[in-house]
Amino acid sequence: DVKVTQSSRYLVKRTGEKVFLECVQDMDHENMFWYRQDPGLGLRLIYFSYDVKMKEKGDIPEGYSVSREKKERFSLILESASTNQTSMYLCASSPPQGRRHSHTEAFFGQGTRLTVV
Amino acid sequence: GDSVTQMEGPVTLSEEAFLTINCTYTATGYPSLFWYVQYPGEGLQLLLKATKADDKGSNKGFEATYRKETTSFHLEKGSVQVSDSAVYFCALRMYTGGFKTIFGAGTRLFVKA
Repeated sequence: DVKVTQSSRYLVKRTGEKVFLECVQDMDHENMFWYRQDPGLGLRLIYFSYDVKMKEKGDIPEGYSVSREKKERFSLILESASTNQTSMYLCASSPPQGRRHSHTEAFFGQGTRLTVV
Repeated sequence: GDSVTQMEGPVTLSEEAFLTINCTYTATGYPSLFWYVQYPGEGLQLLLKATKADDKGSNKGFEATYRKETTSFHLEKGSVQVSDSAVYFCALRMYTGGFKTIFGAGTRLFVKA
């Protein structure tokens, strides 16, 4: 059974702290993604990675960075947490696909609910 | 730009009622369309998908048909159960120099016994 695991279900951090959210997948997928989920806004892509040490900005990368040192692990970093980063964070992975194969779905972790106080 | 619009929730139904959650999209190319479901306290999981016009995706009694002429992918189920209570996300995925998945805002469904 495919699995994407996020290291924490719930986190509470203080403003200004450096925060690491970890995600591990066991499916040997090339692509990994970080989204945040907010009420009424759906899922918004923060960053994604299509290979080890590769990263691309998504739609809302400001205030975040990522690290992909190993294929199975994709870390989201909040350099200096702020209250507006309180959200649900979802990690996802998917296999690579050629241009003609856009139908491959993503597999999601269970989410990390981060509260910044 | 490309986008997905879903009906606003929450949707509240009694058990065995008929469900429709509307989804329309705007895309410059030919996207694949997906419905994901998020049960309480969990991440998203794929419910069904359709990769070309007139395809019907189905799973667990849910269905959705890819309608290119109306740019829609409405989710339907003939008889909902309490266990269907969740948030449902419509999404499109397409290649525009790189693959991109765009999600709708999500529709929360409550099913009462």
